[in-house]
Amino acid sequence: AQKITQTQPGMFVQEKEAVTLDCTYDTSDPSYGLFWYKQPSSGEMIFLIYQGSYDQQNATEGRYSLNFQKARKSANLVISASQLGDSAMYFCAMSVSYNTDKLIFGTGTRLQVFP
Amino acid sequence: EPEVTQTPSHQVTQMGQEVILRCVPISNHLYFYWYRQILGQKVEFLVSFYNNEISEKSEIFDDQFSVERPDGSNFTLKIRSTKLEDSAMYFCASSNRAGRFSFFENTEAFFGQGTRLTVV
Repeated sequence: AQKITQTQPGMFVQEKEAVTLDCTYDTSDPSYGLFWYKQPSSGEMIFLIYQGSYDQQNATEGRYSLNFQKARKSANLVISASQLGDSAMYFCAMSVSYNTDKLIFGTGTRLQVFP
Repeated sequence: EPEVTQTPSHQVTQMGQEVILRCVPISNHLYFYWYRQILGQKVEFLVSFYNNEISEKSEIFDDQFSVERPDGSNFTLKIRSTKLEDSAMYFCASSNRAGRFSFFENTEAFFGQGTRLTVV
């Protein structure tokens, strides 16, 4: 069965520091996609970054990078130079369905950035 | 920038009543989804829709739920007889590709801002 595990219910980081949010996944399918979404207190889901299972390089999007370690089945999100506006819930998600790309979400990590 | 729009943003309904949650996906997208998030919990897949039919549904999506694309722009989720446990945030999402073509390219699903459903 496919599963996403986020073991950190909450994280604190000081402004301008880097932070890593952990995500491990479980699937036997060789083809999958990994996503990170940000959910601020207003509730919307904001896409941050994507990593395909066949991608050779780690994905980067501005201050976000994904540390993809395929053998360990981990896809950690690294946020560099944290900002106060980064305070939010962060969800790791995976798509494995051959036909529909439904997303399977982890339980999330609440990140708090303090001055 | 194109976006997925959901209405209403918040709906309160009495137990046993029918509700319809509405979504306008991004216009050139072909794949549509509903997810729900019970307060404080993770986001759960409900159903996916492609080519005017359900392509996949979860065990949550029982006979009380239905989806429809009544015209070229709207995508609706109907709950026939609401229960207290249906109280959640419901997200609509759309993407322009999926499945076996997707694992080589980002198939970002764009989410709407959500509809908070409260069943009393």
